This record gives sequence, C-alpha cells and structure tokens, in this order.
Amino acid sequence: AQKVTQAQTEISVVEKEDVTLDCVYETRDTTYYLFWYKQPPSGELVFLIRRNSFDEQNEISGRYSWNFQKSTSSFNFTITASQVVDSAVYFCALSGTASKLTFGTGTRLQVTL
Amino acid sequence: GAVVSQHPSRVICKSGTSVKIECRSLDFQATTMFWYRQFPKKSLMLMATSNEGSKATYEQGVEKDKFLINHASLTLSTLTVTSAHPEDSSFYICSAQGGKAPYEQYFGPGTRLTVT
Repeated sequence: AQKVTQAQTEISVVEKEDVTLDCVYETRDTTYYLFWYKQPPSGELVFLIRRNSFDEQNEISGRYSWNFQKSTSSFNFTITASQVVDSAVYFCALSGTASKLTFGTGTRLQVTL
Repeated sequence: GAVVSQHPSRVICKSGTSVKIECRSLDFQATTMFWYRQFPKKSLMLMATSNEGSKATYEQGVEKDKFLINHASLTLSTLTVTSAHPEDSSFYICSAQGGKAPYEQYFGPGTRLTVT
C-alpha cells in the first residue's frame, strides 16, 4: 500500500519569508514518481513538479526548490521569499507502477502582508 | 498542450435526481481517465479508473451503481451520479493520461456538485 504524509496541516508566514512544506511517503515499489500540486481557491490543480525514484537531484525553479531524499523517504518543497499569490493548498502525491496517484492530506499555506 | 476540460464547472441538483459530469481531453487521446472526489478541506480520493472501451475499475468503498462511469471514446469520460443525495455534494475532479507523456496525469478544473 502507498501512503503520503503531510504532517503540516496549515502554515502561516509573512510575505518574503521562506517556507518548507514537508512530505514523507511510503511505497513498496522500486520505481515510483513523486509530485507536488498547488490548489488555489479556484480548485484547479496546478502541476508543479514530477520526480522519479531514480533521480535524487534536487531541483530549483525560480523561487521553488525541492529536496528529494530516498534515505528518509521525503520530498520536501521550499518556497523562497514567499508571496501572497503563493497562498493555496499544496498536495504531495505518489504514483507507483499502477499509475494511480495517492495524495497526501495537503498543507494549507497562508502568506500575509 | 495536454488540456483537460470538465463540464459543468458547477451544478446544483435536487435529491433523487441524476447528474452527469463530462471530462474531455482536448488535444490528446486519453487511454486512461481517473475520477477523484474531494470533500471540503480534504484530500483527493481516487474513485475509479477507466480505460477506453472497458468497464471502470472502482476503488474500495465506491458504489459502482451510484457512480456510473463511461469512457466511450479516447477523449471523453463521463461520471453520472445517480439518485443523488446531499452527502454526494463534493468537488469532483477528473484526470486524463496519455499523449506525449503517457504516464503523466493531466487534471481537469473540477466540478462542484451541490445536492439540495
């Protein structure tokens, strides 16, 4: 069985602060994919990143960065210099050989001025 | 590329009636489509997986007679909520898999169903 845990239910930061969203996963598959999605109040899921299990290189995209560590089964997401527009619910997800996505419970990020 | 649409975006129906939600892949052929349900402030739960031309595979606990899924073509899947009840009120999201990145799932914008 697959499981994704996002222990942080809600995080509130002031604009320009850095914030890290944690994601821990469990799977028995040796090949798997990890994802992060953003869900703004409109409800539409916005794809942020996909990482396969063989690629542990960290990735940076603008103010976003991801830290994948197989040793701790974690795939954490950091937003640098947060902005109000970053306010949303962020989901970490996992897909194994069956292609079905298992989502974490989400972290609600509130960025205030 | 890889655009998925859903129709309607919002629907209100009365208890006991049925409502159909459409999911379309606009610029690629979707070999597989997925239907998710999301309760307010909760995560997305997979309801079923459908492959074109075959019966949908439902997740444990999902009533197949209540949530009818049809995947009649490579660009269209429908979810029909039959004899709707207020507890069926939810946000329903579809995703489609296929195209240039065959293992990627592309999500629709979601349909908010309210049953009165």
